[in-house]
Amino acid sequence: KAGVTQTPRYLIKTRGQQVTLSCSPISGHRSVSWYQQTPGQGLQFLFEYFSETQRNKGNFPGRFSGRQFSNSRSEMNVSTLELGDSALYLCASSLGDTKNTEAFFGQGTRLTVV
Amino acid sequence: AQSVAQPEDQVNVAEGNPLTVKCTYSVSGNPYLFWYVQYPNRGLQFLLKYITGDNLVKGSYGFEAEFNKSQTSFHLKKPSALVSDSALYFCAVRDGGAGSYQLTFGKGTKLSVIP
Repeated sequence: KAGVTQTPRYLIKTRGQQVTLSCSPISGHRSVSWYQQTPGQGLQFLFEYFSETQRNKGNFPGRFSGRQFSNSRSEMNVSTLELGDSALYLCASSLGDTKNTEAFFGQGTRLTVV
Repeated sequence: AQSVAQPEDQVNVAEGNPLTVKCTYSVSGNPYLFWYVQYPNRGLQFLLKYITGDNLVKGSYGFEAEFNKSQTSFHLKKPSALVSDSALYFCAVRDGGAGSYQLTFGKGTKLSVIP
């Protein structure tokens, strides 16, 4: 069974630009969560989608948005990029129908804002 | 609100010695607890979880974790450390009661196994 796939693996963007990251979950998983990982802040939860609906949201500004498609693939968009948005963005998928199931992570997208 | 604390930023252990990585949690309902490992420039890999039942949970690569409800702890252990165990370890919690499905992570503990 294929794992969680994130594309692209690396991105370099300029301040003020916008970026879209993609995540393909494990087949059959309906929940996709996004996290931002930085050395200083650790893993911070951005949002979670389940069956195309945002089910949970973290404390990030509105510049961070996401969506999920009918095939459970998810995209995350960051508009008006700031230097502080440089981070590893991780996507995790899970079955999502019960709380006791583990999440499986992709390898992440490394975003560098210059 | 749910939270996880990993009190040690770094743990150093000699190869062959037992290792412990500490984790404490806070949730309002029953806790579902998870351990993950991250190698450089990689995503997180699932190691083990506690849902209910036996307080000692066994997972991948010889790791185990002990759930202690009274101390609200879920420490990760391994009887004999390998150099290849050197990585970043994350503890996570999800509240099994009503409410959010969010998985909350600790800040991580860097484990260094010294040859």
